[in-house]
Amino acid sequence: NAGVTQTPKFQVLKTGQSMTLQCAQDMNHNSMYWYRQDPGMGLRLIYYSASEGTTDKGEVPNGYNVSRLNKREFSLRLESAAPSQTSVYFCATREFSYNEQFFGPGTRLTVL
Amino acid sequence: RKEVEQDPGPFNVPEGATVAFNCTYSNSASQSFFWYRQDCRKEPKLLMSVYSSGNEDGRFTAQLNRASQYISLLIRDSKLSDSATYLCVVILTGANNLFFGTGTRLTVIP
Repeated sequence: NAGVTQTPKFQVLKTGQSMTLQCAQDMNHNSMYWYRQDPGMGLRLIYYSASEGTTDKGEVPNGYNVSRLNKREFSLRLESAAPSQTSVYFCATREFSYNEQFFGPGTRLTVL
Repeated sequence: RKEVEQDPGPFNVPEGATVAFNCTYSNSASQSFFWYRQDCRKEPKLLMSVYSSGNEDGRFTAQLNRASQYISLLIRDSKLSDSATYLCVVILTGANNLFFGTGTRLTVIP
């Protein structure tokens, strides 16, 4: 079992470029989440998907879009990257009845 | 006001010491509480859940004080391997999203 996987692990973009961060899980969990983590700010929720076919905004959704492709996959897209989006991005999953969240290894994104 | 507040530290303690972290939460509708551990450049991982009656797992003890709206984590006999950032997490009743504190950084010194 891979758990939660994220690709890529590292990425450098120029301002204005676009990219999609991929997340996949083999835990059969209903809920999936995207967070960003910045020094001194902790983990901030960007978007989440309570179940296949639904997505909701979190605390910091501006500049991002998401797609819940199926139960396993939840992608995060930056349409026009900005330096303020330089961060570490974590995907997470959760089976509601158990409450615990499981995280992927993260994607380190730098926007120049 | 943030949903969850933690002292960022850093806490630098010698091996064998006892150290305690507190975390306060603002919403009285908070239902579930957790401590996560995050090693440098790694993802957060669940350390332990926090139950109303308090709970212990080896050298780690977690407690909840609903009246004062805080949770605590006590680490006894600190080991070098305990060096990490500890995040407290709160879930509101019926909510699907979790609220994370900014984390408390612990360094255990030989």
